[in-house]
Amino acid sequence: RKEVEQDPGPFNVPEGATVAFNCTYSNSASQSFFWYRQDCRKEPKLLMSVYSSGNEDGRFTAQLNRASQYISLLIRDSKLSDSATYLCVVRPFTGGGNKLTFGTGTQLKVEL
Amino acid sequence: DAGITQSPRHKVTETGTPVTLRCHQTENHRYMYWYRQDPGHGLRLIHYSYGVKDTDKGEVSDGYSVSRSKTEDFLLTLESATSSQTSVYFCAISDPPGLAGVKDTQYFGPGTRLTVL
Repeated sequence: RKEVEQDPGPFNVPEGATVAFNCTYSNSASQSFFWYRQDCRKEPKLLMSVYSSGNEDGRFTAQLNRASQYISLLIRDSKLSDSATYLCVVRPFTGGGNKLTFGTGTQLKVEL
Repeated sequence: DAGITQSPRHKVTETGTPVTLRCHQTENHRYMYWYRQDPGHGLRLIHYSYGVKDTDKGEVSDGYSVSRSKTEDFLLTLESATSSQTSVYFCAISDPPGLAGVKDTQYFGPGTRLTVL
């Protein structure tokens, strides 16, 4: 079983739609959680951290369910510019050089 | 812009030749990482460094070595390149998580596309 699992998609949605991505992680002791965004042929960039209480940044909402080892990302009012691959990322433990474990990504295509 | 560059950006080489990729940062971040990204596998950690001359292996370190003689430079060497090492290589930098005033993230370089024929 992969440490971080995501549905690879692609998710093809019309502009203005709401779309949700899910991610599961296998290490119950994992400490921190993130969503990164990666545009085609570009480097990954942090989209947002994910907190136990849930957090929102504009049109983006991230949720964490530690009991189910499940992370989600909700994008409301999708824009063409949201088309990218979204990477679910987990920090398995503290220390150890701040290593991160990356999911393979979910591809989103927002269409007119 | 996190001040991180990679060189070369593209390279084509032949099986059996040595290859060195360079990562350079201008921000004095303590930690540096080398990843490779392949379809179906996502980003996988090759080696990382938590300070000058302090390095450790990641999950896919076989066939790779690294060196960090200065804070700003982290070199990845393929001693004898193989076709299975054809990939996109990303360097990343970060600070220890939990530092005051420091964003908890890894900043990535633009990547190096390596093709081994």
